Amino acid sequence: NAGVTQTPKFQVLKTGQSMTLQCAQDMNHNSMYWYRQDPGMGLRLIYYSASEGTTDKGEVPNGYNVSRLNKREFSLRLESAAPSQTSVYFCASSAAREAYEQYFGPGTRLTVT
Amino acid sequence: QKEVEQNSGPLSVPEGAIASLNCTYSDRGSQSFFWYRQYSGKSPELIMFIYSNGDKEDGRFTAQLNKASQYVSLLIRDSQPSDSATYLCAPAGGYQKVTFGTGTKLQVIP
Repeated sequence: NAGVTQTPKFQVLKTGQSMTLQCAQDMNHNSMYWYRQDPGMGLRLIYYSASEGTTDKGEVPNGYNVSRLNKREFSLRLESAAPSQTSVYFCASSAAREAYEQYFGPGTRLTVT
Repeated sequence: QKEVEQNSGPLSVPEGAIASLNCTYSDRGSQSFFWYRQYSGKSPELIMFIYSNGDKEDGRFTAQLNKASQYVSLLIRDSQPSDSATYLCAPAGGYQKVTFGTGTKLQVIP
């Protein structure tokens, strides 16, 4: 099993460009999450999906949109990238709606210039 | 007050010593407590979780929880250089509400 996979691993965008970060899990987990991690700020939840067909805002949703395409896939879209969105983005999944342990993907390092 | 407080470190300990990592949290509704380890440039990985007051041991790792004091700690016995990483405390209040601390960087000196 691959666990949680993310693409791309690295990306450089210019201000105003758009892009979609892809995430997939093969563990048959119900819940999926998108986090960003900045130095000194820890992991901050952007959006989450408790189950297929549902999505909810987390702590820092502004400037992002998400799609839970099916049970396996959860994508994060930046419509108009800003330098403040320079960060490392992690996707995670967990087995249940409750806050069970989360399994993380390898991350996407995004730079917006 | 931050929801989760951790000393950012670095905490330096000699190889073979006990490393003690501490975490306080503000949400009294937190029921589950997770410790994640994150190596530099890598993603977090779960190493311990604890639900009940008291101690939980798993190999060289012991998690300690005191809900009344809103305090959770992680002890690493016989610390190894391979334990050098950042350790994230993550109290969970149920139904998606997991709050991660900023982490404590541990350095184990050979």
